Amino acid sequence: ETGVTQSPTHLIKTRGQQVTLRCSSQSGHNTVSWYQQALGQGPQFIFQYYREEENGRGNFPPRFSGLQFPNYSSELNVNALELDDSALYLCASSLKGYYGYTFGSGTRLTVV
Amino acid sequence: QKEVEQDPGPLSVPEGAIVSLNCTYSNSAFQYFMWYRQYSRKGPELLMYTYSSGNKEDGRFTAQVDKSSKYISLFIRDSQPSDSATYLCAMSAVSGYSTLTFGKGTMLLVSP
Repeated sequence: ETGVTQSPTHLIKTRGQQVTLRCSSQSGHNTVSWYQQALGQGPQFIFQYYREEENGRGNFPPRFSGLQFPNYSSELNVNALELDDSALYLCASSLKGYYGYTFGSGTRLTVV
Repeated sequence: QKEVEQDPGPLSVPEGAIVSLNCTYSNSAFQYFMWYRQYSRKGPELLMYTYSSGNKEDGRFTAQVDKSSKYISLFIRDSQPSDSATYLCAMSAVSGYSTLTFGKGTMLLVSP
C-alpha cells in the first residue's frame, strides 16, 4: 500500500509568480484535502476534493485553486504569490465517510 | 478566541517520564478527536482517534476526551527519545469527509 506522495519537496518562488503543487493519493482513497502549515502553527484547511469537485473550502482567497483528477491525484495552484504564502503545504487523502487522513510529507514553499 | 487551543511548549522530559499533552476547544459540534505526531520535515502521522467522550488506549498512548469540559488529553507512558516530535490535536464535527481543525502543536523533547 503506497502512501501520499507530494512533489516537489521544496520550491522557491518570487512574489507575484504562480505555483503548482502536486499530490498522489494513497491507493484506495477518493478524497483529497490540502492544508497550509505556517512555521510554528498547526495545519489550516484550504479545500477538499471528492469526485473531481471541490467539496469544502477554508478561509483562503480565490487565488488558491485546485484540481482532482480521475485517478484521485490532485493539484494545488496558487496565483499572485505573496510573502505570507511561504509555508509547508500538506496534502491528505482519505476514504469518504471514514476517518484516518493520511498526510504526505508536504511541499515547502518559500516566496521571496 | 481560537477554536482549538494548544500550548506550543517546548515540553522537555527525561526518558521514561509520563507525558501529558492537552488541548481545549470551543466548538461544541466537534465529535471526532485525533492526535497526530509530526517529526521535523515530515507530514503529520495519525496516532490516536477517539469518537465523543471517553478513553482509548494503544500501547504506551492513552487518549482522553471530556466533552463536558471541552478538553482532550494524550498521555505517553515510558517516554522514549524517539517520541521527540510535535504533537498536534485535531478535531472534526463529522467523520471522514469533514475538515480537520488543528491546534498549534506541542513540541516534545525526550532526553536520554
